[in-house]
Amino acid sequence: KQEVTQIPAALSVPEGENLVLNCSFTDSAIYNLQWFRQDPGKGLTSLLLIQSSQREQTSGRLNASLDKSSGRSTLYIAASQPGDSATYLCAAGTRGSQGNLIFGKGTKLSVKP
Amino acid sequence: NAGVTQTPKFQVLKTGQSMTLQCAQDMNHEYMSWYRQDPGMGLRLIHYSVGAGITDQGEVPNGYNVSRSTTEDFPLRLLSAAPSQTSVYFCASSQNRGGEKLFFGSGTQLSVL
Repeated sequence: KQEVTQIPAALSVPEGENLVLNCSFTDSAIYNLQWFRQDPGKGLTSLLLIQSSQREQTSGRLNASLDKSSGRSTLYIAASQPGDSATYLCAAGTRGSQGNLIFGKGTKLSVKP
Repeated sequence: NAGVTQTPKFQVLKTGQSMTLQCAQDMNHEYMSWYRQDPGMGLRLIHYSVGAGITDQGEVPNGYNVSRSTTEDFPLRLLSAAPSQTSVYFCASSQNRGGEKLFFGSGTQLSVL
């Protein structure tokens, strides 16, 4: 059974710092990995999608990498801003999950002004 | 575009009552799914559909029914509500399973007394 783990569960940083969020998964037969953002009381918004054939994806200040052999993905946020405060979730779609996304529990990020 | 629309946003039920959570998308997506989000448990897949007339069970299907008569709509039915079904429910859709960004609705907060 695919398991997705995110560490740390919560993170607080001062504005302007570069930071890394970690995601690990147990099933290396991965189709894709997605990073999402969730604001309190809201739905999830897809930030980045990495296909199994790709190593990384970038969007603005966000960069996500995928290492299938080690079962890890990282989300790098450059020059963090208070508006980046939210919960970030990763999700993996694998052969074991029939392609359905299995989610981690998320990292709650707080960026202090 | 409206994207993924869920109704209602809030609902309170008594134990044993039944109800239907509505989900509609206007992006002509083939894949639709229902998740529940609980504190400490993360998002868990309830049911999913890869096209009209095709549905399948996810990780936590007991107590829920789904049908997919059209591409646009994917309602979730609670047959006999139980307090354990108190949760936030999210509907999501994508062009296909496993290869495209997943779009989420804004959620339904359900309380079963």
